[in-house]
Amino acid sequence: NAGVMQNPRHLVRRRGQEARLRCSPMKGHSHVYWYRQLPEEGLKFMVYLQKENIIDESGMPKERFSAEFPKEGPSILRIQQVVRGDSAAYFCASSHAIREPQHFGDGTRLSIL
Amino acid sequence: SQQGEEDPQALSIQEGENATMNCSYKTSINNLQWYRQNSGRGLVHLILIRSNEREKHSGRLRVTLDTSKKSSSLLITASRAADTASYFCATEETSGSRLTFGEGTQLTVNP
Repeated sequence: NAGVMQNPRHLVRRRGQEARLRCSPMKGHSHVYWYRQLPEEGLKFMVYLQKENIIDESGMPKERFSAEFPKEGPSILRIQQVVRGDSAAYFCASSHAIREPQHFGDGTRLSIL
Repeated sequence: SQQGEEDPQALSIQEGENATMNCSYKTSINNLQWYRQNSGRGLVHLILIRSNEREKHSGRLRVTLDTSKKSSSLLITASRAADTASYFCATEETSGSRLTFGEGTQLTVNP
């Protein structure tokens, strides 16, 4: 059974470009979560999605960030007009249902030049 | 202090010793989960304890939960060098499904 798959593992962008991070949840999981981790810190919640629906986006910055989880295909976290402060590791997790363990991917490490 | 705060921040022990990490939180929770993270990798789920449970075991791991004190502990017995990692507690609040993580405990097990 494949775990949560994230790609790319590393992404380098220049300031002002767009970053697209992809996440394929574990088979049978319909709940997807995105978290951001700054160096030497814990993870901070960004957004929680179910298929085609955003359930909780209270951790998302109001501008430049968006997320989707279409009926077909992976979940996408999109960051427009990236700035240096967006440099971080972005982790995706999925779960079978609410109140069940969340299983994490290996993350995408985003570096902004 | 913030939700899901771990204590100590760093712990260094010898192989074979036990390691205990503590976590405190502030709000009402559905469950509390412990994760391990090796450097540069994702989080590995270790154990989930629900709010109506007091203790759980999994192999060399023992987790306790005291909801009256809003605290949890993770005990790793007979530690191994391979247990070296950062350990995070995360709480799922009753208000939603998101996890709130602490800053983690960096455990170093010396061979």
